Amino acid sequence: DTGVSQNPRHKITKRGQNVTFRCDPISEHNRLYWYRQTLGQGPEFLTYFQNEAQLEKSRLLSDRFSAERPKGSFSTLEIQRTEQGDSAMYLCASSAWEEPGEQYFGPGTRLTVT
Amino acid sequence: EDQVTQSPEALRLQEGESSSLNCSYTVSGLRGLFWYRQDPGKGPEFLFTLYSAGEEKEKERLKATLTKKESFLHITAPKPEDSATYLCAVQKGSGGSYIPTFGRGTSLIVHP
Repeated sequence: DTGVSQNPRHKITKRGQNVTFRCDPISEHNRLYWYRQTLGQGPEFLTYFQNEAQLEKSRLLSDRFSAERPKGSFSTLEIQRTEQGDSAMYLCASSAWEEPGEQYFGPGTRLTVT
Repeated sequence: EDQVTQSPEALRLQEGESSSLNCSYTVSGLRGLFWYRQDPGKGPEFLFTLYSAGEEKEKERLKATLTKKESFLHITAPKPEDSATYLCAVQKGSGGSYIPTFGRGTSLIVHP
């Protein structure tokens, strides 16, 4: 397995447009996490999946954000009506059932909203 | 509320000059403390998990230690390739989601 992959790596969009990001976790990992990271900050939790079930969402996640993991494999994160404040690096991570704290991150998708 | 504070924010070392990074935390019921390395423009890379006070883990020039209130990442005789941001994260013992809380990181630059 080659690790966690994310696509696209970079996305530039205009304010008000919708964007969707994809994450392919390590195949045997059933836990999947989305984070947002801005310059000089640590990753900030957005949402968590166990298999296909979305079990937790951050209070900071507005209703413009939605995430899915339809078959318990890849996941998508959609942001509707993007705002300039959404500009950030969006990170996906996965972990095995036995070691939930040992998370393996993808390279991230850098979003720029103009 | 869980808090993770890392210090210093930035650290410049000469090659071979050993030092330590600090991660202090307040969390109700620590399940685990994690160290990650992050290179610019990349996702964090897992380094260590520590579960209980007194535990130590080593990997090459890095050694992580844990007390009841803080963790240290000791870097022995660093090389320029050790330059990166080092992130600390803590995880609560209760609940099933295991959502970690990250610190802001320490940016380490090692000069040749």
